[in-house]
Amino acid sequence: DTAVSQTPKYLVTQMGNDKSIKCEQNLGHDTMYWYKQDSKKFLKIMFSYNNKELIINETVPNRFSPKSPDKAHLNLHINSLELGDSAVYFCASRQLRLYQETQYFGPGTRLLVL
Amino acid sequence: GQQLNQSPQSMFIQEGEDVSMNCTSSSIFNTWLWYKQEPGEGPVLLIALYKAGELTSNGRLTAQFGITRKDSFLNISASIPSDVGIYFCAGPQISNFGNEKLTFGTGTRLTIIP
Repeated sequence: DTAVSQTPKYLVTQMGNDKSIKCEQNLGHDTMYWYKQDSKKFLKIMFSYNNKELIINETVPNRFSPKSPDKAHLNLHINSLELGDSAVYFCASRQLRLYQETQYFGPGTRLLVL
Repeated sequence: GQQLNQSPQSMFIQEGEDVSMNCTSSSIFNTWLWYKQEPGEGPVLLIALYKAGELTSNGRLTAQFGITRKDSFLNISASIPSDVGIYFCAGPQISNFGNEKLTFGTGTRLTIIP
């Protein structure tokens, strides 16, 4: 069974379009994350939700809007896509508990903006 | 925000050789994590370190939490082809929301030459 799944795996779109990426985890975790990995492989956190509540927002442009309908899902909607948004976007989940640092990552969504 | 610097940036080694890499920070961390990212996949946690001076093994992998709490080391013994990937260190920091977030290192890309 897939622990953290993302759709789509690949997304190619034109500049200016609006697109969404979906993430689901079946681990029963209460915290989910979105990360962006650029072409140099730098991995940087964007958002985190805990039980549907936003707990981390790392000064991401407000064209990016995360939505968590329930604690098993965290979606990412991007408006007015720009060339610089091209990257791999990873979803991750974790159970917030002391000494439980493991974040489980999804397979990534490869976004290419033309 | 704080960046974790990893060295070397990339390594090309023969199968069977031992590998050493490190991660340094200008500030103190209370936890060090080592992740591996294989091509086309998300990062997977290898080892977690919680105490200065701690030495922890996971099969052929050994990681150490530096005494100064500003660095960590990862060693891989007798490398095999499936060790190929990018190795990231990571550590928790406080986000601008006051919650904990993971900061990832710049990565060490390991290539095995047959």
